[in-house]
Amino acid sequence: EVQLVESGGGLVQPGGSLRLSCAASGFTFSSYAMNWVRQAPGKGLEWVSYISSTSTTMYYADSVKGRFTISRDNAKNSLYLQMNSLRAEDTAVYYCARDKPLRFDPWGQGTLVTVSS
Amino acid sequence: DIVMTQSPEYLAVSLGERATINCKSSQSVLYSSNNKNYLAWYQQKPGQPPKLLVYWASTRESGVPDRFSGSGSGTDFTLTISSLQAEDVAVYYCQQYYSTPPWTFGQGTKLEIK
Repeated sequence: EVQLVESGGGLVQPGGSLRLSCAASGFTFSSYAMNWVRQAPGKGLEWVSYISSTSTTMYYADSVKGRFTISRDNAKNSLYLQMNSLRAEDTAVYYCARDKPLRFDPWGQGTLVTVSS
Repeated sequence: DIVMTQSPEYLAVSLGERATINCKSSQSVLYSSNNKNYLAWYQQKPGQPPKLLVYWASTRESGVPDRFSGSGSGTDFTLTISSLQAEDVAVYYCQQYYSTPPWTFGQGTKLEIK
């Protein structure tokens, strides 16, 4: 069964940092690009970042560019999102999603990031 | 950036009746080289992550019931549920994946039982 499990969310103060992880199983992780998508409480979906299968290409939403860094470790079947200089507006559930390609399937259950003092 | 606009934002339909959700993109998402529309539909039930329903605007994902269908081309798209079931209560999102990012979503349509 294809499975994605996020971890690393929590409460952080404005200006702080957090590193999210996504553990993949049930498929050949190294063959797929991956994405992070977030959803603020009660709001819609916002694509955040993309990384190609070999980490040669990364993209970011303008809202996180320069603050967030996506990475992956194919040997560990893991995807990461390093989030620095966090703001209140970054509060959201963060999902990792496999790029199938160019459509997202499946999605993990998500991890909640709350930025508040 | 391509802006995706869904309508309506809220929809109430009786069980067994047809539900229709619209999605309009601010520019065409039809790739002329392969004649494919770079548009997907997702279903998100309360407390769950989104689930892929349809891609290339009209190709149903494996395992998705055939009461779900996608149509449209260029800038105007529709997701139709032919006979609404209780388990279809959810928020539905369209998403474009045309060209390079950002890949954008519609604001969502909340579907309820009348």
